[in-house]
Amino acid sequence: QSVLTQPPSASGTPGQRVTISCSGSSSNIGSNTVNWYQQLPGTAPKLLIYSNNQRPSGVPDRFSGSKSGTSASLAISGLQSEDEADYYCAAWDDSLNGGVFGGGTKLTVL
Amino acid sequence: QMQLVQSGPEVKKPGTSVKVSCKASGFTFTSSAMQWVRQARGQRLEWIGWIVVGSGNTNYAQKFQERVTITRDMSTSTAYMELSSLRSEDTAVYYCAGTSGWYGSDAFDIWGQGTMVTVSS
Repeated sequence: QSVLTQPPSASGTPGQRVTISCSGSSSNIGSNTVNWYQQLPGTAPKLLIYSNNQRPSGVPDRFSGSKSGTSASLAISGLQSEDEADYYCAAWDDSLNGGVFGGGTKLTVL
Repeated sequence: QMQLVQSGPEVKKPGTSVKVSCKASGFTFTSSAMQWVRQARGQRLEWIGWIVVGSGNTNYAQKFQERVTITRDMSTSTAYMELSSLRSEDTAVYYCAGTSGWYGSDAFDIWGQGTMVTVSS
């Protein structure tokens, strides 16, 4: 069982907006920043969002992140077929003194 | 370009150890942090631990505390992850990931290609 809780799946049609939630606690999301990673099938993860809501160079502005209290969210607007992937939230946990990942959300573009 | 190149696949017997390497290029290795993450087939990402390259300070997940050692060799810009007392449940793809420094101290924007470790008798 993951320390950070994500829905196992999400779906949408091309052009739609989809959000993926990530729920934690005061020792992780509540006191540290959240990063999001995208993992396309058969590949290594890729940094998608850092410091809660910042996009690395090259990441389209269709992707956005937010954080409130002990929860965070990833939003994808203008959904495209190439967005079909697994998405993971991650944060540092002060109680565990280590990094933690969410369980991952598999996004399907219908 | 910035990249991490990992060592090749490994097949190990239960009870033995494995050491995976991760060679960095195209960014300032000595200013980075390197983490190790694993992923069993069809499963989620699992954090193993990390090292701050410059200081050599490490943190390990409690689950692996007794069995894992992460080190680095600054002369060759290479990080290592050694896992001992292997069991079948350790069969997974092991990834190294590094921080380029552009996106903060805990945002790992450079990833290796992964190393498959199979533990089987």
